[in-house]
Amino acid sequence: NAGVTQTPKFQVLKTGQSMTLQCAQDMNHEYMSWYRQDPGMGLRLIHYSVGAGITDQGEVPNGYNVSRSTTEDFPLRLLSAAPSQTSVYFCASSYVAGGTEAFFGQGTRLTVV
Amino acid sequence: GQQVMQIPQYQHVQEGEDFTTYCNSSTTLSNIQWYKQRPGGHPVFLIQLVKSGEVKKQKRLTFQFGEAKKNSSLHITATQTTDVGTYFCAGGKTNAGKSTFGDGTTLTVKP
Repeated sequence: NAGVTQTPKFQVLKTGQSMTLQCAQDMNHEYMSWYRQDPGMGLRLIHYSVGAGITDQGEVPNGYNVSRSTTEDFPLRLLSAAPSQTSVYFCASSYVAGGTEAFFGQGTRLTVV
Repeated sequence: GQQVMQIPQYQHVQEGEDFTTYCNSSTTLSNIQWYKQRPGGHPVFLIQLVKSGEVKKQKRLTFQFGEAKKNSSLHITATQTTDVGTYFCAGGKTNAGKSTFGDGTTLTVKP
């Protein structure tokens, strides 16, 4: 059982570079979301999707884009990396939105220098 | 928008002492979930509460959902070093299509 798979696990970017964090789930979950976790800040929602072709902004969407072309994949794009985007990023999926068990990926630790 | 606050932010206990973390929402919730994140790990689902006044137990862990469905608590009896980590609550609203996480309570246990 793969669950939620995130790649890469670690990444170092230079300011201004772009990159895509990959997230895939094999549980046929409709709901997927991206969070960033900074020390002492908990989990902050970046973007989420309630199904293929549908995405919406969370509380900290600036500087990030998402798309949901398939049920399985939900990539997160950093358009022009900034040091403020240094964080640990988690992708999560759940069967429905708004309150069922969420399965988290292992996380991507991103450093922007 | 919906806010979910958790207290305390940090808790240091001696092994064997009890521990409680509290979660408070600014609005009425449909449900609440609790997660545990070990140091360096990812959040892992512990439990979900749905009914007003609901109490659920998992071994030494007791979870409660308030009567007004705006607050919740997680109580650990006789902590062990394996309980170390950050405990998050997440308040769900089915009509909002998402859950809001609290900032977590980080528990350290001194052997």
